[in-house]
Amino acid sequence: EVQLVESGGGLVQPGRSMKLSCAASGFTFSNYGMAWVRQAPTKGLEWVATISYDGSSTYYRDSVKGRFTISRDNAKSTLYLQMNSLRSEDTATYYCTRVRGARPHYFDYWGQGVMVTVSS
Amino acid sequence: DIVMTQTPSSQAVSAGEKVTMSCKSSQSLLYNENKKNYLAWYQQKPGQSPKLLIYWASTRESGVPDRFIGSGSGTDFTLTISSVQAEDLAVYYCQQYYNFPRTFGGGTKLELK
Repeated sequence: EVQLVESGGGLVQPGRSMKLSCAASGFTFSNYGMAWVRQAPTKGLEWVATISYDGSSTYYRDSVKGRFTISRDNAKSTLYLQMNSLRSEDTATYYCTRVRGARPHYFDYWGQGVMVTVSS
Repeated sequence: DIVMTQTPSSQAVSAGEKVTMSCKSSQSLLYNENKKNYLAWYQQKPGQSPKLLIYWASTRESGVPDRFIGSGSGTDFTLTISSVQAEDLAVYYCQQYYNFPRTFGGGTKLELK
């Protein structure tokens, strides 16, 4: 059974940093691209970043480019999101997702999500 | 960026009813080389994570009931639920994966009439 378990969220002040982790199990982690998708309270879904299966390619939405870094450790089957210079508009539930497809494409499994609140 | 527009934003339905919802993209999601539409649909029930329902616009994910039907091509897409069940009450999102940034529609919320 595919499982994605996020951790590392909480309350953080504007301008500070936070690192999210996602522990994956139930599949060969190194064969799949991975991504982070967020959802602000009572809002819709917003793609944040994607990383290829081997970590060689990364993609970011413009609003987080230069502030967030997606990375992975295939030996530990773990995905990360380092978030720097956090802003109030980054407040959201962050979902770790597995991405299916070579390019990669759509999100076929989602974690339960971790809440990040940016506030003073 | 490709803008995804979903209508209606909410819809009140009764059990057993046929439901259709629309998703329109600001540019074509049809890739000419493989004739595939780069569009997925997700279901998010209250308090839960989203779940993949449909990909390539019309391919049902394994385990998804066959009452969920995806159709359309180019810029116009539809998700149909042939006979709504109580457990289908949720928000439905479309998403394009034709290019980056990946973008979602604003969602269609199905509510009980």
